[in-house]
Amino acid sequence: EPEVTQTPSHQVTQMGQEVILRCVPISNHLYFYWYRQILGQKVEFLVSFYNNEISEKSEIFDDQFSVERPDGSNFTLKIRSTKLEDSAMYFCASSEGHEQYFGPGTRLTVT
Amino acid sequence: GEDVEQSLFLSVREGDSSVINCTYTDSSSTYLYWYKQEPGAGLQLLTYIFSNMDMKQDQRLTVLLNKKDKHLSLRIADTQTGDSAIYFCAENPPRDDKIIFGKGTRLHILP
Repeated sequence: EPEVTQTPSHQVTQMGQEVILRCVPISNHLYFYWYRQILGQKVEFLVSFYNNEISEKSEIFDDQFSVERPDGSNFTLKIRSTKLEDSAMYFCASSEGHEQYFGPGTRLTVT
Repeated sequence: GEDVEQSLFLSVREGDSSVINCTYTDSSSTYLYWYKQEPGAGLQLLTYIFSNMDMKQDQRLTVLLNKKDKHLSLRIADTQTGDSAIYFCAENPPRDDKIIFGKGTRLHILP
């Protein structure tokens, strides 16, 4: 069964550093998403992406964040200058309609 | 604003039925979902229901939707140890890409 994959599974970085989280969505899906879950809190929507552009973003997704689909398979989330409060589990998801399928997540730890 | 609420814990004896409840605020949400998260794993889409339905059954899973009360429930029949996980209720508001999640209900199975 096709699934969304994410790398790395765990990323440790120092405050102020840039990180890129990578995702390979399910191959025939056209819609891509990033969510995050801070420890003990709800899963929160960050951004959706369709037809090579952002279709919706939340208040969390400020200028420090960017997304890209650099080739036909990868979908990336870049955080330009990480802050301590960016520590969270980041989930990528993809869909071809209303069913969003999630990857296993990347745990980002900012020290 | 949009919000999804669910109780945080549920303990059930193996072999009994589990019923996980959820309330949501946006009565015009088009799709409502149940996701399962096992320890260290991502969010697995278990089932969903379209807002014009009041019940959906899928093997051991039964979803009930009460639109008037904005109440969603997930019943797991013959609960097994493998059902031990966190179950997230979620809604998809209309004309919106994002899914809004509850905090999750941790289901604990008693022998």
